[in-house]
Amino acid sequence: DTAVSQTPKYLVTQMGNDKSIKCEQNLGHDTMYWYKQDSKKFLKIMFSYNNKELIINETVPNRFSPKSPDKAHLNLHINSLELGDSAVYFCASSHAQGQETQYFGPGTRLLVL
Amino acid sequence: LAKTTQPISMDSYEGQEVNITCSHNNIATNDYITWYQQFPSQGPRFIIQGYKTKVTNEVASLFIPADRKSSTLSLPRVSLSDTAVYYCLVVGGYQKVTFGIGTKLQVIP
Repeated sequence: DTAVSQTPKYLVTQMGNDKSIKCEQNLGHDTMYWYKQDSKKFLKIMFSYNNKELIINETVPNRFSPKSPDKAHLNLHINSLELGDSAVYFCASSHAQGQETQYFGPGTRLLVL
Repeated sequence: LAKTTQPISMDSYEGQEVNITCSHNNIATNDYITWYQQFPSQGPRFIIQGYKTKVTNEVASLFIPADRKSSTLSLPRVSLSDTAVYYCLVVGGYQKVTFGIGTKLQVIP
């Protein structure tokens, strides 16, 4: 069974479109995250949710809106996609924040044309 | 927020021991040192975590001197499958986790 899953794995879309990436974890964790890894491989945190509440909201454009319908899901909706949004987006989860081990999903490769 | 510094890349021959050192001069009392491994086209994977002295598991060892301002990840007898990016993180409390660029290890046959 996959611990942290993301859909879709690949996403190719045009500038200006709106798209969503879904994430689910079956580990019973309370905290979930979204990370962005750009072409230079720098892995940066975007958002962190704990028990469906937003904990960390890094400086990302408000075109990015996370939604957590329940503890096991954290979806990422992106409005008005731009070329610079092209990257790999990773979802992760952990028991709690801080030094708890994070478990990552396989990533969603987004290409904006 | 403790910042970490580690080499951008390293090369090693198969069968050798690899040591990757990470500097974290501003580490706080309640911070832990954690290492993750990332293979191409995959998400990062936890390797090892420690607070002080030495920690060993089936994958690696982590050496932390008394002042905790640096740490060394040791991979014994690397194989080609150990080629990956290795991230050193300092984490604690409710501060955000910052991965940075990591160290790209290339194992050569």
